Amino acid sequence: AQSVTQLGSHVSVSEGALVLLRCNYSSSVPPYLFWYVQYPNQGLQLLLKYTSAATLVKGINGFEAEFKKSETSFHLTKPSAHMSDAAEYFCAVTLGGANNLFFGTGTRLTVIP
Amino acid sequence: IAGITQAPTSQILAAGRRMTLRCTQDMRHNAMYWYRQDLGLGLRLIHYSNTAGTTGKGEVPDGYSVSRANTDDFPLTLASAVPSQTSVYFCASSDPGTGNYGYTFGSGTRLTVV
Repeated sequence: AQSVTQLGSHVSVSEGALVLLRCNYSSSVPPYLFWYVQYPNQGLQLLLKYTSAATLVKGINGFEAEFKKSETSFHLTKPSAHMSDAAEYFCAVTLGGANNLFFGTGTRLTVIP
Repeated sequence: IAGITQAPTSQILAAGRRMTLRCTQDMRHNAMYWYRQDLGLGLRLIHYSNTAGTTGKGEVPDGYSVSRANTDDFPLTLASAVPSQTSVYFCASSDPGTGNYGYTFGSGTRLTVV
């Protein structure tokens, strides 16, 4: 079965610094991978997704993620953090089909002024 | 705007009472899901429905029931609420038949059982 592991339940960065949120997946075949963002008191919004096309995926709000099969990773990055990036971020994996999307436990990003 | 509508947005409920959380989508997605979100535990699947007329149990189904009479609606019922069901509940949908495997989420219902 597929799964994802998010390393670090909390990450703090200074405003303007690089954001790096880690996600490693476990899957017997190439998966589809997603990053979602949850702002306070809101639902989850799709940031970006990897669906076996380009390995470097660009999403909304300046975020991007790179699929690295050799490292089984799909880390989320942003060159320069903004205060508005403070939120919880979830990595998710699926092999397709319904009821088959598995979420990580989330990483809370704090941006320090 | 297409999406998922959840109601109510928040509720305080006495233990032992019955409560139905409503979820409606207007995207004609076949699959729908109910999750609960608790601090430190992430999202846990309660029940799901792959298509209208079918439902299935997720990771934490006890104390909850669902129905899927049509494509758009997927209500979640707590037959007799207990304090451990205090949580934030999210409804989601997907349309895997189109090859789009991501989920669309509602804004959530914050439920407090006292």
